[in-house]
Amino acid sequence: LAKTTQPISMDSYEGQEVNITCSHNNIATNDYITWYQQFPSQGPRFIIQGYKTKVTNEVASLFIPADRKSSTLSLPRVSLSDTAVYYCLVGDPSGAGSYQLTFGKGTKLSVIP
Amino acid sequence: DAGVIQSPRHEVTEMGQEVTLRCKPISGHNSLFWYRQTMMRGLELLIYFNNNVPIDDSGMPEDRFSAKMPNASFSTLKIQPSEPRDSAVYFCASGPGLPPLYSNQPQHFGDGTRLSIL
Repeated sequence: LAKTTQPISMDSYEGQEVNITCSHNNIATNDYITWYQQFPSQGPRFIIQGYKTKVTNEVASLFIPADRKSSTLSLPRVSLSDTAVYYCLVGDPSGAGSYQLTFGKGTKLSVIP
Repeated sequence: DAGVIQSPRHEVTEMGQEVTLRCKPISGHNSLFWYRQTMMRGLELLIYFNNNVPIDDSGMPEDRFSAKMPNASFSTLKIQPSEPRDSAVYFCASGPGLPPLYSNQPQHFGDGTRLSIL
């Protein structure tokens, strides 16, 4: 069973900021939230990771509210090369002794010229 | 630096045949993960190892699937006998830590093996 919920798809024009939100109601106290990007015929690639508030790197920003039940990946000024599937990943809080790693269904972002 | 290396990149075989997928993790990483990706089910974790020891194989779909990690630089995922419903892309990933420490140590994925069982 998927532990996260994301929009299935999003469209955006080049140059716009894109925000993708992931819901993770059962996130555990020690869990971090990690986002991956996947291009066709490639493995997922790490984008950003955070625990709370805001994290920013050269690629994206991650916003996490105080209750940590959701997170928003923000991609500034997207280009055609940002067209990919974006996955939200959190730890499974029921995994005592058996830590399941669960990817969301992913959000397919299509950037339009 | 070399990333996670998987072989073969593509495999086409007939049902009933044995299939062996191979993975070389990033040097120094002590955890290794096997995933399967299909359109219907997305990315599923099959099994993961820490320090060459299988920690959790509850994601392995059937006894036809087995995985080994004889040393820190090599792992195999074997399907015997293979069936058409095993067709998928199989990914190997490695990471520097084991859950729950993984939470702060992202995994690095290979480019996968696209498996087609006829």
